[in-house]
Amino acid sequence: QSALTQPASVSGSPGQSITISCTGTSNDVGSYNLVSWYQQLPGKAPKLMISEVTKRPSGVSNRFSGSKSGNTASLTISGLQAEDEADYYCCSYVSSNTWVFGGGTKLTVL
Amino acid sequence: QLQLQESGLGLVKPSETLSLTCTVSGGSISTSTYYWGWIRQPPGKGLEWIGTIYYIGSTYYIPSLKSRVTISVDTSKNQFSLKLSSVTAADTAVYYCARHRWGGATTYFDSWGQGTLVTVSS
Repeated sequence: QSALTQPASVSGSPGQSITISCTGTSNDVGSYNLVSWYQQLPGKAPKLMISEVTKRPSGVSNRFSGSKSGNTASLTISGLQAEDEADYYCCSYVSSNTWVFGGGTKLTVL
Repeated sequence: QLQLQESGLGLVKPSETLSLTCTVSGGSISTSTYYWGWIRQPPGKGLEWIGTIYYIGSTYYIPSLKSRVTISVDTSKNQFSLKLSSVTAADTAVYYCARHRWGGATTYFDSWGQGTLVTVSS
């Protein structure tokens, strides 16, 4: 069970849009619409931002959106704000009742 | 409002057993809608799912740790616990407990404890 692949870092200027990819295999991302995304601010616990590939929990800004194509899921943040600077992790259900996280992506707002 | 709080020793010697408890408040652990999970994060590294338990005791573990991990639940205390045996320095991490939604066509971790750092060192 290998970690999902995410870019180590992405950056963008305020107001811009960025996309973070999360690549898995046909055993996880490719087979299930069960990808979730988490935001982790420095020194804090992760916070759920997206579930089931595209669903936003109540209270999460609509600037956050998710999608999936094949074995790759993506998180897009539009209208980038300074407060979005954080680490982002994807997570997928894997066949045989296990879960796997991505390696994490550090988002820098320039 | 649901709250989860990890507790346990912050320093464990190599080869010994790491023990942590997660106390759930503001809601019952004996709910059919949710499971309960443990996730860890080594310093400066990413998240790793360790395992998940249902209130009736069904457990699911990451294969790489399965031989060393035991997760249990105490519904009378609204707590669930993690034991990791034969620890090494590689087990040094912040350990989080979380509420784990799993059912039908959905699964996610929607409520997390603040995390507790466990250091493995002699």
